[in-house]
Amino acid sequence: GENVEQHPSTLSVQEGDSAVIKCTYSDSASNYFPWYKQELGKRPQLIIDIRSNVGEKKDQRIAVTLNKTAKHFSLHITETQPEDSAVYFCAASPVSAGGFKTIFGAGTRLFVKA
Amino acid sequence: GAVVSQHPSWVICKSGTSVKIECRSLDFQATTMFWYRQFPKQSLMLMATSNEGSKATYEQGVEKDKFLINHASLTLSTLTVTSAHPEDSSFYICSAPPGTGKNIQYFGAGTRLSVL
Repeated sequence: GENVEQHPSTLSVQEGDSAVIKCTYSDSASNYFPWYKQELGKRPQLIIDIRSNVGEKKDQRIAVTLNKTAKHFSLHITETQPEDSAVYFCAASPVSAGGFKTIFGAGTRLFVKA
Repeated sequence: GAVVSQHPSWVICKSGTSVKIECRSLDFQATTMFWYRQFPKQSLMLMATSNEGSKATYEQGVEKDKFLINHASLTLSTLTVTSAHPEDSSFYICSAPPGTGKNIQYFGAGTRLSVL
């Protein structure tokens, strides 16, 4: 089955700096790659996603890149703010007989220091 | 956007009892729902895929007799943790795609289960 690896597990940046989180996936059939932000005790919130027919997508301060050949994708947050502090999860969605599952990476705890 | 409601948000129970968690799609029909478990400071681990009108599909290592899933209607899936033990204490979250053939997931608010 699909396996998603995520690095780093913890990331600390100064306010205004950029943050980059990287993920790799194993199943070449995966075609949808969402990124979620989760605050303590709350549900994951989708912040951006990318499909396998696109190499890059940007939404204001957040961008995601996808390299299908290498099976890796990255999240880039620019001009970080203290409210960006949270746990970020990458995920991959493989097509399977049971429908679309979402397999999560281990998560990255981002700290943005004011 | 699509809304998924999960209830209860927090439950405390005694060891050996069973706990039922409900997941409802409020403004769309969900033939498929997913159940995840999240331990503190860890990722969301997919437990099972709930299929309306048929048996759930469990991930490897998840005991189907321990975690009973019922998806009796197009808007409701339930997860029952049977004979709960302290090691079952966790955050349980459901999700559902807003339409057939779509892999975007909308998540419930989660249920924090504490087994004493």
